[in-house]
Amino acid sequence: GENVEQHPSTLSVQEGDSAVIKCTYSDSASNYFPWYKQELGKRPQLIIDIRSNVGEKKDQRIAVTLNKTAKHFSLHITETQPEDSAVYFCAARNNQGGKLIFGQGTELSVKP
Amino acid sequence: DGGITQSPKYLFRKEGQNVTLSCEQNLNHDAMYWYRQDPGQGLRLIYYSQIVNDFQKGDIAEGYSVSREKKESFPLTVTSAQKNPTAFYLCASSTRGQQMNTEAFFGQGTRLTVV
Repeated sequence: GENVEQHPSTLSVQEGDSAVIKCTYSDSASNYFPWYKQELGKRPQLIIDIRSNVGEKKDQRIAVTLNKTAKHFSLHITETQPEDSAVYFCAARNNQGGKLIFGQGTELSVKP
Repeated sequence: DGGITQSPKYLFRKEGQNVTLSCEQNLNHDAMYWYRQDPGQGLRLIYYSQIVNDFQKGDIAEGYSVSREKKESFPLTVTSAQKNPTAFYLCASSTRGQQMNTEAFFGQGTRLTVV
């Protein structure tokens, strides 16, 4: 069945450094790839998403890249700040608007 | 105040009992989802529904049941057949359609504990 693999499971960086989280998906029909941030005790919230007709999207310090051939997409956070510390989830959904499948999550810790 | 609401926030269940978690949305979304969150395992899909009176099993549907009698509501029942029900449960909703893969909004979650 459909699957999304996310790495690493934990990531620790110094404030100001960049952080990269990578995901791969199995369903070639997937065409929508959102990224969610979940702070401790709170619900996941969308931070950026990308559709399959786009290779890269940027929003201030956050960017996402998509390689459809390799079925691979990544989240890049530049100039990290302590408030970026949270769990980040990638996800994929197919073009039938069906299942929204999440990766296992990455716990990002930004040390001041 | 628009959004998606889950209740209760905390729920305690005795072994052998069925419990129902509520999820209501007023976003006019067709699609609704239930996820289970355990430490280190991400968000695992239990059930999802794209339209009223229709729903599909996710990856871990065993021991759970749902109904979708109204567009606004997608309750989840955790049955006694679920062997390890203690977890954090999240409900989400989104629009559907082949050309409209848009943001899924989450409820605040229900933490279920078996005592």
